[in-house]
Amino acid sequence: QKEVEQDPGPLSVPEGAIVSLNCTYSNSAFQYFMWYRQYSRKGPELLMYTYSSGNKEDGRFTAQVDKSSKYISLFIRDSQPSDSATYLCAMREDTGRRALTFGSGTRLQVQP
Amino acid sequence: DTEVTQTPKHLVMGMTNKKSLKCEQHMGHRAMYWYKQKAKKPPELMFVYSYEKLSINESVPSRFSPECPNSSLLNLHLHALQPEDSALYLCASSQDGTYGYTFGSGTRLTVV
Repeated sequence: QKEVEQDPGPLSVPEGAIVSLNCTYSNSAFQYFMWYRQYSRKGPELLMYTYSSGNKEDGRFTAQVDKSSKYISLFIRDSQPSDSATYLCAMREDTGRRALTFGSGTRLQVQP
Repeated sequence: DTEVTQTPKHLVMGMTNKKSLKCEQHMGHRAMYWYKQKAKKPPELMFVYSYEKLSINESVPSRFSPECPNSSLLNLHLHALQPEDSALYLCASSQDGTYGYTFGSGTRLTVV
C-alpha cells in the first residue's frame, strides 16, 4: 500500500463547476499538508499549505485536512479552463523524515 | 526574488558524457532538494541538503552526484547516465523544510 493515495483521473468538468480533489494517507506522523498544481512540462507550483487539521481558504481554493480520517481535500470553486493541470497532494512529518511525500497526482480538465 | 532558477532548461547527453545541472535561489532558504519526475508520475526525491549539508540520499546511483557550494546554489553532476535516466529533474527549496517548497521549472534531460 502506498503511503499517499490519490485518484489519477482524468477528471473532466464544465467551466464554472466546483471541483473536489482528494488524497488519503496512512502515515499518522504527517503534519504538513500541501497542494501543488503542475502544468504540462513545468515544475509544481504551491497552491495551499496547511499545518495539522482544519480548513484554509485562498480565493477560489479551499483546503481541508481531517487527520482523524487521514483524508485531505482541495476544492476549486468557479473552475476555469486555466485550472486544467495535474494537482498533486504532498505531505510531510513534523520531525523525523523532513521531506515531502507526494500523491500520484490527479489530472483535471475544465471544459469551456 | 521568489524563484528557483534551473539551468539548462533542456539537455541532451550521450551515455559517456559528463554534464551538470544547476539550481539557484535567493530567498534565504536553507533546505534544497533534487527531485526526478518521469512522465505522468509524481516527483521522486533524490537528495536533500539542509544548511549546505547532505541530509538525505535516497539510494541514488553514484552516476548522480550532488553538490551544494553555498546556501544559494545546488548542482547535480551527471556521469555515464543510462537512457532510463531521461526525465524532468526538479530543484526545490524551502525555509527549513517546515513550509511549502518552491520548485524550479526543471531541466528536461534526454540520455541518448
